[in-house]
Amino acid sequence: QKEVEQDPGPLSVPEGAIVSLNCTYSNSAFQYFMWYRQYSRKGPELLMYTYSSGNKEDGRFTAQVDKSSKYISLFIRDSQPSDSATYLCAMSGDTSGTYKYIFGTGTRLKVLA
Amino acid sequence: DGGITQSPKYLFRKEGQNVTLSCEQNLNHDAMYWYRQDPGQGLRLIYYSQIVNDFQKGDIAEGYSVSREKKESFPLTVTSAQKNPTAFYLCASSNVKYTEAFFGQGTRLTVV
Repeated sequence: QKEVEQDPGPLSVPEGAIVSLNCTYSNSAFQYFMWYRQYSRKGPELLMYTYSSGNKEDGRFTAQVDKSSKYISLFIRDSQPSDSATYLCAMSGDTSGTYKYIFGTGTRLKVLA
Repeated sequence: DGGITQSPKYLFRKEGQNVTLSCEQNLNHDAMYWYRQDPGQGLRLIYYSQIVNDFQKGDIAEGYSVSREKKESFPLTVTSAQKNPTAFYLCASSNVKYTEAFFGQGTRLTVV
């Protein structure tokens, strides 16, 4: 079983839709959760960072962490064509004491104008 | 502007040749990382360093080498022992205390 599972998509939605992106993980020791956006042939850009369980909102983006279910989500409201990219989840803080990151394989999102 | 600079953006390697990818950061971060990204496989950790003059192997270190002589620099050498080096290479850094990782814009290495 992979440590992090993420649906690869592609996910196609019309402009203005609410998008839900998700990851599940197996290591209950993870404490820090991140979402990155990656445009083609570019480096990942940090979108959201949360610690432990709960919600965090930043503009059109909301990150949710449910540690009891080992499930994290990223919601994008009023999606725009410029949101078309690959979204990577990442997590860290396992019991090894090192700050290594475990990444999902990414979900490709296409927002249609 | 603070950030991570990777160079070159594109690199071509001949069979049997070693090449070095540059990564420089001015974020004053302690930890630096090298990842390899292949289609459908996500990011795989090659090497990481949490302090100067110390580094650890990641999941796919064979055929790669690194050094960390300065806090701001973490170059990656792809040696001739790496049999399938064509990939997109990403350098990242983090302040160990706060954990968010920030990435450079990547180097695309192609074997010709």
